[in-house]
Amino acid sequence: QSVLTQPPSVSATPGQKVTISCSGNSSNIGNNYVSWYQHLPGAVPKLLIYENDKRPSGIPDRFSASKSGTSATLAITGLQTGDEADLYCGTWDSSLRVVLFGGGTKLTVL
Amino acid sequence: QVQLVQSGAEVKLPGSSVKVSCTASGGGPFSGHTIAWVRQAPGQGLEWMGRIVPVVGVTDYAQKFQDRVTITADSSTRTAYMEVSGLRSEETAVYYCAKVGPAYTLSDWGQGTTVIVSS
Repeated sequence: QSVLTQPPSVSATPGQKVTISCSGNSSNIGNNYVSWYQHLPGAVPKLLIYENDKRPSGIPDRFSASKSGTSATLAITGLQTGDEADLYCGTWDSSLRVVLFGGGTKLTVL
Repeated sequence: QVQLVQSGAEVKLPGSSVKVSCTASGGGPFSGHTIAWVRQAPGQGLEWMGRIVPVVGVTDYAQKFQDRVTITADSSTRTAYMEVSGLRSEETAVYYCAKVGPAYTLSDWGQGTTVIVSS
């Protein structure tokens, strides 16, 4: 069981919005930056969000994120079928001295 | 941006060892990078194994990997290595290397190396 808690799955129809939560504690999310990764089927994990809310170049503004206290949230608007993927939050844990990943959320676009 | 190219798939017997390589191109001096290794077992999520900072030769590992995993690097060939000894069937997984950026962001990933442990 992951230290960072994500919902196992979310689903929505094309064009809609989804949010995915990531819950941790003061050793990880509470005092460190959060990243989000998109893992498309058969592909390599890809950085979507870094430092809580920043998008790397090439990531559309349909993807956004925020952090409050010991939780973080990823939001995806204007869903497309090509967005179907596993999504992971990640952050440094100052006590364990590792990067922790959430258990992953499977996004289904119906 | 750094391009990371990993070695090919491996099939190993239980109890044996495997060594996976990760060669970097672009992105400036290799010795200035921090390279991490992340594992994904079938149907499971991402799991941090450890990292190396080639410029100072420092490594650290997640506790569960401390005894059987060794991460090394050769700056002259811009290559990082991850070796697992005493392989177990449950360690069948895809092993990724990734560049660790500021705030422990994994900005660039290798293509992954599938390791199958089976008798």
